[in-house]
Amino acid sequence: NAGVTQTPKFQVLKTGQSMTLQCAQDMNHEYMSWYRQDPGMGLRLIHYSVGAGITDQGEVPNGYNVSRSTTEDFPLRLLSAAPSQTSVYFCASSETGVGDQPQHFGDGTRLSIL
Amino acid sequence: EDQVTQSPEALRLQEGESSSLNCSYTVSGLRGLFWYRQDPGKGPEFLFTLYSAGEEKEKERLKATLTKKESFLHITAPKPEDSATYLCAVGRYKLIFGTGTRLQVFP
Repeated sequence: NAGVTQTPKFQVLKTGQSMTLQCAQDMNHEYMSWYRQDPGMGLRLIHYSVGAGITDQGEVPNGYNVSRSTTEDFPLRLLSAAPSQTSVYFCASSETGVGDQPQHFGDGTRLSIL
Repeated sequence: EDQVTQSPEALRLQEGESSSLNCSYTVSGLRGLFWYRQDPGKGPEFLFTLYSAGEEKEKERLKATLTKKESFLHITAPKPEDSATYLCAVGRYKLIFGTGTRLQVFP
């Protein structure tokens, strides 16, 4: 099993550009989520999904969109990139609800917005 | 407000020098407390889940314990390969992460 796979690993964008960060998992997990990690801030939840067709906002959702058309894939879209979105983005998945289940993380996408 | 605080921010140990990392939390309705290890350029790697006060879990040189207000990650006789950032997270309806402890173990 590959676990959670994120692409690309690195990306540089100009302000105002849009892009999609890809996330796929092969563990048949229902719950998937996106976090951003910034120095001194810890991991912060952007959006999450409890199953195909169901998504909801996390702590810092502004400027990001998600959709979940299949169990395996959970892409994160930046609509109009801003320098404040420079960060490392992690996708994670777990079997069911997050409160009592460990989440499994991908290796991240390092995004720089110029 | 739900909050997770880890201390110290950074810790330097000599190989073989045992120590503990602390994770204190203020969360109502805790469903689980998680410890992760994160290496540079990688995603967090799951280590332990603790569900109730008094629970302990062990893996090699690591032992995690839980009380009603905090958790400790004890590292016994650490080796250089234990160098990493250790993250604590508490689960309710979502995971709330601390900012981590950067551990360096030098020979």
